[in-house]
Amino acid sequence: QQQVKQSPQSLIVQKGGISIINCAYENTAFDYFPWYQQFPGKGPALLIAIRPDVSEKKEGRFTISFNKSAKQFSLHIMDSQPGDSATYFCAASTASGYSTLTFGKGTMLLVSP
Amino acid sequence: DSGVTQTPKHLITATGQRVTLRCSPRSGDLSVYWYQQSLDQGLQFLIQYYNGEERAKGNILERFSAQQFPDLHSELNLSSLELGDSALYFCASSGGQRNQPQHFGDGTRLSIL
Repeated sequence: QQQVKQSPQSLIVQKGGISIINCAYENTAFDYFPWYQQFPGKGPALLIAIRPDVSEKKEGRFTISFNKSAKQFSLHIMDSQPGDSATYFCAASTASGYSTLTFGKGTMLLVSP
Repeated sequence: DSGVTQTPKHLITATGQRVTLRCSPRSGDLSVYWYQQSLDQGLQFLIQYYNGEERAKGNILERFSAQQFPDLHSELNLSSLELGDSALYFCASSGGQRNQPQHFGDGTRLSIL
């Protein structure tokens, strides 16, 4: 059972455009939602995270939007750059689960110059 | 650099063999997590240790085991290896408190021939 569903699998965006990646979850006990960025040959790196008591969090060009009632959250990358080309993973965890992460399947983003 | 060190970077072995993967967490982090990344299953949580004690178990096979030593480094032991065990194995560490960020190493790529 896939508890965090991520879409799209891949995404091509022009430089300067907005990249949008969506995730949906099933477990209402999830209370922490991080996004990770992974470059080839590297481990996932934490990008930005949100808790369900806020609907939006922004850090630089990266914004998480969170819809608790719909059990969905999304990552927006504004002014996308070729250096943003990477695989992005959404994840979720519960406090009772000792913060172990359940990951989405990932989105491969390519930002064309 | 996440501060999490994993060795070796690559491991090639044959079916039926046993291997040990090593992880040194970030300085000060008490919790270590092991994840498996494969093309079909994505990133899956295997097991977590906190200050030497097993804290949570995920989709870890009985052929796999782990431990965390007094100096907080951790080892993941994989035995009776099968072709399907070929994957990237990541270690992550955190302070261990609720929903503290997890920092990932660059992984060990295991290839079973």
